[in-house]
Amino acid sequence: DSGVTQTPKHLITATGQRVTLRCSPRSGDLSVYWYQQSLDQGLQFLIQYYNGEERAKGNILERFSAQQFPDLHSELNLSSLELGDSALYFCASSVEGLRGTDTQYFGPGTRLTVL
Amino acid sequence: AQKITQTQPGMFVQEKEAVTLDCTYDTSDQSYGLFWYKQPSSGEMIFLIYQGSYDEQNATEGRYSLNFQKARKSANLVISASQLGDSAMYFCAMREPQKISGGYNKLIFGAGTRLAVHP
Repeated sequence: DSGVTQTPKHLITATGQRVTLRCSPRSGDLSVYWYQQSLDQGLQFLIQYYNGEERAKGNILERFSAQQFPDLHSELNLSSLELGDSALYFCASSVEGLRGTDTQYFGPGTRLTVL
Repeated sequence: AQKITQTQPGMFVQEKEAVTLDCTYDTSDQSYGLFWYKQPSSGEMIFLIYQGSYDEQNATEGRYSLNFQKARKSANLVISASQLGDSAMYFCAMREPQKISGGYNKLIFGAGTRLAVHP
């Protein structure tokens, strides 16, 4: 158990809908990262938050947004869902995110299926 | 562009034997970190081992060791005394400076190697 929690574990929804994925980082970790794992794209970095502020952006679609709250939990919002958004979404956390030695610990993931 | 290459889509190993999973990387930065993660069939990503670009010694964590050859830009994972529970996908990843923000941010992952341990 990495100490990172994600809910829900599974999510099935229809095209055009909006969903929210939730992540609670390990105790003491200030950085939260979101990754998408799909069969065709592999594991891709979406976005990072550090202590409530957006720190870095990766291959995140405009239909997707995220935020980190004062209690450091984070939510990833996916809207106008398309079939291609079906994937495993991981949240990871680390202590600072500002040093190369900082290890990211991953949550169990949310498997999103868009029908 | 930074890149991680894992050339072995699948590997087989006999239980109790050692196995090496290959990883090569490409970066123009001098400071970077290399990680290996394990993803069992249940889906979670489990951190195994870390190697910093300035570390002079190869990293070791229990049965896992990292064969780091900086000049060749390779960071191969060695699993000694394989166990049935080692059957999983293994991902090599690199973390490097985010030049714009000044911090170290995203992990770049390879395509992974699926390891099967046979009894």
